[in-house]
Amino acid sequence: QQQVKQSPQSLIVQKGGISIINCAYENTAFDYFPWYQQFPGKGPALLIAIRPDVSEKKEGRFTISFNKSAKQFSLHIMDSQPGDSATYFCAATPVTNSGGSNYKLTFGKGTLLTVNP
Amino acid sequence: DTGVSQNPRHKITKRGQNVTFRCDPISEHNRLYWYRQTLGQGPEFLTYFQNEAQLEKSRLLSDRFSAERPKGSFSTLEIQRTEQGDSAMYLCASRPGQGQLEQYFGPGTRLTVT
Repeated sequence: QQQVKQSPQSLIVQKGGISIINCAYENTAFDYFPWYQQFPGKGPALLIAIRPDVSEKKEGRFTISFNKSAKQFSLHIMDSQPGDSATYFCAATPVTNSGGSNYKLTFGKGTLLTVNP
Repeated sequence: DTGVSQNPRHKITKRGQNVTFRCDPISEHNRLYWYRQTLGQGPEFLTYFQNEAQLEKSRLLSDRFSAERPKGSFSTLEIQRTEQGDSAMYLCASRPGQGQLEQYFGPGTRLTVT
């Protein structure tokens, strides 16, 4: 059972465009949602994260939108640059009602983003 | 460099051999995680340490896998009698502590079993 579903699997955008990656989750106990960026041969790097008490969080060119009722969240990359070309992963974990989950992350399968110059 | 470090970065081994990986977390991070990532997939949780105590193990962690964190600092992950299906990137992540949620990943160890 895939608890976090990520789409699209791959995405190509032009420089300066907006990249949008979507994730949906099933476990209603999830209440911490980070996004990670991974370059080939490197470990995932934390980009931005959100808790359900807000519907949107923005850090620079990166914005998370969160829809609790739909159990969906998305990453928007504004003014996409070739240097943003990487694989992006959404993740989730229960915090408030962790039930001993130890905050282990459940990841989506990733989105390979290519930004053309 | 104060990030999470992992060694070796790459390991090629023959089926049936034992391998051991090391993770050095960010200083003063007392929570440590191991994940496994196969090609085209997101990382999957393997095990979790709080200080030196191993508090959770995934069902993915067969009896051939063992992890330790003596003294609550660095951690090791050992795989005995490696199989081709063990080929993957093994990632370590650390977190500061109670109430602090951000996990920071190391560069990973790429294991290839031939």
